[in-house]
Amino acid sequence: DGGITQSPKYLFRKEGQNVTLSCEQNLNHDAMYWYRQDPGQGLRLIYYSQIVNDFQKGDIAEGYSVSREKKESFPLTVTSAQKNPTAFYLCATTSGGNVRNEQFFGPGTRLTVL
Amino acid sequence: GQNIDQPTEMTATEGAIVQINCTYQTSGFNGLFWYQQHAGEAPTFLSYNVLDGLEEKGRFSSFLSRSKGYSYLLLKELQMKDSASYLCAETILTGGGNKLTFGTGTQLKVEL
Repeated sequence: DGGITQSPKYLFRKEGQNVTLSCEQNLNHDAMYWYRQDPGQGLRLIYYSQIVNDFQKGDIAEGYSVSREKKESFPLTVTSAQKNPTAFYLCATTSGGNVRNEQFFGPGTRLTVL
Repeated sequence: GQNIDQPTEMTATEGAIVQINCTYQTSGFNGLFWYQQHAGEAPTFLSYNVLDGLEEKGRFSSFLSRSKGYSYLLLKELQMKDSASYLCAETILTGGGNKLTFGTGTQLKVEL
């Protein structure tokens, strides 16, 4: 089945540890995005990538890093420099630079840092 | 800068009609999305407007006025399953790609 996979759905880590969230897609979409959602707030853009081996900072990139070595994969690393990492993380894709294309979202990973 | 405003919460009765408003202020505006998000789940696409006017899709309609920086989502014949958060998002085409900025969402509660 075509779609976007994020695993695991729930993730727990100790404070001070880096953690990498996975996002895989088989939609053959060019662009991929990472968002963070906190309770009572909308989605905030962390990083996005239009093509392989290229990515751009979003609005809240500090404390995060990404890579885009393959078209299908866009992993997000939450580093120990991120002060408030506990949140719901959503990965999204879109098929290209055409602004009419809506973003398709994965199921999300809920990260809790203890 | 970019600033999207929408009400935090709304309550409506099953079978009724509800209108959720959204205002935006940005340069480079190039379209507006509405998404539905149930608690703990990913947002799902509802509508997209880039030209002024009303787009109708079943029980849901979305309106855009570019000159006023205003959009609304209209939900008719409300059902209990429509209880969710509704996210307004503006899109800007940048050199780095298609970038969306989301509002904080409107939590809609449908009651009997």
